[in-house]
Amino acid sequence: DQQVKQNSPSLSVQEGRISILNCDYTNSMFDYFLWYKKYPAEGPTFLISISSIKDKNEDGRFTVFLNKSAKHLSLHIVPSQPGDSAVYFCAASSRFQAGGTSYGKLTFGQGTILTVHP
Amino acid sequence: NAGVTQTPKFRVLKTGQSMTLLCAQDMNHEYMYWYRQDPGMGLRLIHYSVGEGTTAKGEVPDGYNVSRLKKQNFLLGLESAAPSQTSVYFCASSHGQYNEQFFGPGTRLTVL
Repeated sequence: DQQVKQNSPSLSVQEGRISILNCDYTNSMFDYFLWYKKYPAEGPTFLISISSIKDKNEDGRFTVFLNKSAKHLSLHIVPSQPGDSAVYFCAASSRFQAGGTSYGKLTFGQGTILTVHP
Repeated sequence: NAGVTQTPKFRVLKTGQSMTLLCAQDMNHEYMYWYRQDPGMGLRLIHYSVGEGTTAKGEVPDGYNVSRLKKQNFLLGLESAAPSQTSVYFCASSHGQYNEQFFGPGTRLTVL
């Protein structure tokens, strides 16, 4: 049961254009969402996050949009650069109780391979 | 400041062999995690720890054990490796439950 889904395994974009990566989730208890970027032979690195109380968060060329009613989030990269070519994972967090302490566990999507052509 | 480091980077095991993957972080983080990444599956949480001396099961814990004897180290053990455990293993750490997780470079494990 995949609670976080990235339905596009890959995306190809021309340099300078917009890249839009999409992510859908099914668990309405998720209240914090993150995007990670991963280069080959490296670990994922944090890119940007958004809390469920917001619908948009911006950081330079990266903007994340959250549509709670549709259980959908997207990452926009404008303008796209060849160095942005990587695998992008979305992740969602939900609080659950563990030994009386709330804890945010991350559930990851399958990843989308972004290729930005010069 | 090395961040999160993992040892070893690569390993090949025969079915039934055992091994321990070591994760170390120098950021004084309370939370540490072990994930595995398989094609088309994203990252799946194996075990995690919310502090020194504590461990808990994640999404796919079977066949693995962990220990957090020191705050900076989180060990992942495979007692009897199986081909289904062929994967890339990532360790991560975070300051708190909603803070970003910092990942190590990964360990590529092949079980023959």
